[in-house]
Amino acid sequence: QKEVEQDPGPLSVPEGAIVSLNCTYSNSAFQYFMWYRQYSRKGPELLMYTYSSGNKEDGRFTAQVDKSSKYISLFIRDSQPSDSATYLCAMSRGSNYKLTFGKGTLLTVNP
Amino acid sequence: EADIYQTPRYLVIGTGKKITLECSQTMGHDKMYWYQQDPGMELHLIHYSYGVNSTEKGDLSSESTVSRIRTEHFPLTLESARPSHTSQYLCASSGTEKPYNEQFFGPGTRLTVL
Repeated sequence: QKEVEQDPGPLSVPEGAIVSLNCTYSNSAFQYFMWYRQYSRKGPELLMYTYSSGNKEDGRFTAQVDKSSKYISLFIRDSQPSDSATYLCAMSRGSNYKLTFGKGTLLTVNP
Repeated sequence: EADIYQTPRYLVIGTGKKITLECSQTMGHDKMYWYQQDPGMELHLIHYSYGVNSTEKGDLSSESTVSRIRTEHFPLTLESARPSHTSQYLCASSGTEKPYNEQFFGPGTRLTVL
């Protein structure tokens, strides 16, 4: 069983839709949870960062962590064509530990 | 401007050639990483370094080697490239500022071995 599972999609939505992206994990030691966004032919860039359980909001983006279910989510409200990218979840056991990535979900927002 | 650079961006070479993928960062970070990324697959860590003269193998076995002689420079070398080495290679770095795990990625080198 992989430590991190992420549905690769692809996911296609109309502009303005609410998007939900998810990852599940098996390692209960993970404490740091991240979402990276990767545009085509670019390197990933950090989008959201959460420590332990709870919600975090930043503009149109909300990250949720449910450690009891080993499930994390990223919500995008009022999605825009510029949100079209691959979204990768990543997690770590601690601040000095390596990151474990999901496969990434390819999102296309259609105008 | 603080950034992380990779050269070349694209490389097409024949089997058996020796290649070096360059990675440099001007962010002052101690930690640097090399990942391999194939379409539809996870980023796999192949090498990492926590400082000068420190290098470790990552989770995915790789025939490549790395060196860290200067803080800002972390090149990856393949002594004899093979078609199985065809992939995207991403370099990253991280520092001591919060969030501590944030890794900054370069644009990647897309390698094709014929």
